[in-house]
Amino acid sequence: EVQLLESGGGLVQPGGSLRLSCAASGFTFSSYAMSWVRQAPGKGLEWVSSISGRGISTYYAASAKGRFTISRDNSKNTLYLQMNSLRADDTAVYYCAKGRETPNPYDAFDIWGQGTVVTVSS
Amino acid sequence: DIQMTQSPSSLSASVGDRVTITCRASQSITNFLKWINWYQQKPGKAPKLLIYSASSLQSGVPSRFSGSGSGTDFTLTISSLQPEDFATYYCQQSYTTPFTFGPGTKVDI
Repeated sequence: EVQLLESGGGLVQPGGSLRLSCAASGFTFSSYAMSWVRQAPGKGLEWVSSISGRGISTYYAASAKGRFTISRDNSKNTLYLQMNSLRADDTAVYYCAKGRETPNPYDAFDIWGQGTVVTVSS
Repeated sequence: DIQMTQSPSSLSASVGDRVTITCRASQSITNFLKWINWYQQKPGKAPKLLIYSASSLQSGVPSRFSGSGSGTDFTLTISSLQPEDFATYYCQQSYTTPFTFGPGTKVDI
């Protein structure tokens, strides 16, 4: 069964850091682009970042650029999001999502994790 | 950035109704492919992919869901609304980064 399982969320003070992880199983991880999408409480979906299958190319939303770093370890079938300089408006459920067909991130997201909650508050 | 808008923002419908949701992109997201996808999200759950490339039905999704459109204007249609279809629906463009989502359309009773 294809599965994504996020972890690493929690409560952090403004200016702090967190690293999210997404453990993948049931598919050839390195063959697919992976992404992070977040959803603030009561709000819609916001794409955060994507990474190509081999991890060579990375892409960021303006809100994440310079503060967040996406990476992957294909030997561990794990996706990461290092989040620094966190702000209150980063409070959200963070989902990892698998690209549907290729290692190229220009694709639909066909498998989603259950999400991990990040709360930025003093 | 490509802005995605959806209409209506919410709608009330009954079981068996035909429902159409419209999504408009601020610029064309069509070349050799149509770079729009549709997702369904229920409260407290992760989104679920319904339609990709404007009109291709994701595996396992009931055939009452369909998508159409080209250029900047796209639609998601539910031919006969079922109780499990009450949810929020989002369109998303995968043509270029940032991969923007529409604001969502909430379908309720």
